[in-house]
Amino acid sequence: QVQLQESGPGLVKPSETLSLTCAVSGFSISSAYYWGWIRQPPGKGLEWIGSFYHGGNTYYNPSLKSRVTMSVDTSNNQFSLRLSSVTAADTAVYYCARVDGFHFDYWGQGTLVTVSS
Amino acid sequence: NFMLTQPHSVSESPGKTVTISCTRSSGSIASNFVQWFQQRPGSAPATVLYEDKQRPSGVPDRFSGSIDISSNSASLTISGLKTEDEADYYCQSYDSSNGNVMFGGGTKLTVL
Repeated sequence: QVQLQESGPGLVKPSETLSLTCAVSGFSISSAYYWGWIRQPPGKGLEWIGSFYHGGNTYYNPSLKSRVTMSVDTSNNQFSLRLSSVTAADTAVYYCARVDGFHFDYWGQGTLVTVSS
Repeated sequence: NFMLTQPHSVSESPGKTVTISCTRSSGSIASNFVQWFQQRPGSAPATVLYEDKQRPSGVPDRFSGSIDISSNSASLTISGLKTEDEADYYCQSYDSSNGNVMFGGGTKLTVL
């Protein structure tokens, strides 16, 4: 059973960097799948942030590309998201997911990050 | 990149059939697979269809998908509506030339 769990600060100050981790269980992050991040502002729709393949390609949403970094920690079977220079517009529930082809087949439960001073 | 446009909301009665459309703004809808997600309040999205019309294990066959090249759109059809189907539904596709992923704006389905 593939399970994903997001973790990180629930409150980030404007202009600072948002950092989240996604712990994966039941499946090796080094296997032949992409992994990704998606966010959802309160009351709004889903927005793709980016996807990466361990040891391979990384794709970022062009609207966020200048501020996003994704990395992987194979020893702990987890991957991370960093989003710099955040503003209130970055307030959202952030989800991590496994990507099969271009299909997000397993999702974490999501974690709310609020940007506020 | 292209956009995916969905109706903001649809409503139908229990037992009836409803169809939610997802129109691609440029490029052919047939070029890249479309996925559909169901999201209930407070929960993460869950796949109801992938690769245009494939159902994951556990999704009832009341859920079906299709694409229409003439309207450049994908559709999710739910038959025999149940109150438990009330949720937000999102379509999703991608641009294989650059790896970008797009979501539709979501459709709120009300079963009343």
